[in-house]
Amino acid sequence: AQTIHQWPVAEIKAVGSPLSLGCTIKGKSSPNLYWYWQATGGTLQQLFYSITVGQVESVVQLNLSASRPKDDQFILSTEKLLLSHSGFYLCAWSSGTGGYEQYFGPGTRLTVL
Amino acid sequence: SQWGEENLQALSIQEGEDVTMNCSYKTYTTVVQWYRQKSGKGPALIILIRSNEREKRSGRLRATLDTSSQSSSLSITGTLATDTAVYFCATNTGNYKYVFGAGTRLKVIA
Repeated sequence: AQTIHQWPVAEIKAVGSPLSLGCTIKGKSSPNLYWYWQATGGTLQQLFYSITVGQVESVVQLNLSASRPKDDQFILSTEKLLLSHSGFYLCAWSSGTGGYEQYFGPGTRLTVL
Repeated sequence: SQWGEENLQALSIQEGEDVTMNCSYKTYTTVVQWYRQKSGKGPALIILIRSNEREKRSGRLRATLDTSSQSSSLSITGTLATDTAVYFCATNTGNYKYVFGAGTRLKVIA
């Protein structure tokens, strides 16, 4: 069975500080990976996707970057946090062999003060 | 959202009642997915309906898709308190891009 883990569970950071969020998928080879952002009480906004190691495509610009250093790992980061970065960050995967079903991780709650 | 939009609703119903939620979208999609998100958790896919299907059932769930009007609906029959959640529709806009609707907040009172 596939499992998806996100770290940390929650973060409280200062404006202007750096950020790194992580996501690991186990039990699935060559998955497509996704990052989403969700404001409190809002909908999901897709940020990035990756279909292979080392390649990441941006969907929307929010002063964030993403990397995929390993087949099963997806990293979201920024050098300078803004207040608007606060929210819920979700990592998801879908099968690399086709299929539109996305499976989400438990999320990371980020508060920027 | 520019693309997938739902009639933004907050619904409160009694356990045992049936409920229907609607979703409209503005661009062609291969599939419409419906997700359930419980408080503080990641969304979970509950039903997926493809563009060549008009209806899809899964247990107490029923999804419909009308590609001519670019709309989809999700019905839940015999609701339970555990169905309390936010429900999102999502469309695939191509090239691994997805757009989520505004969501419907459903509260089922036991």
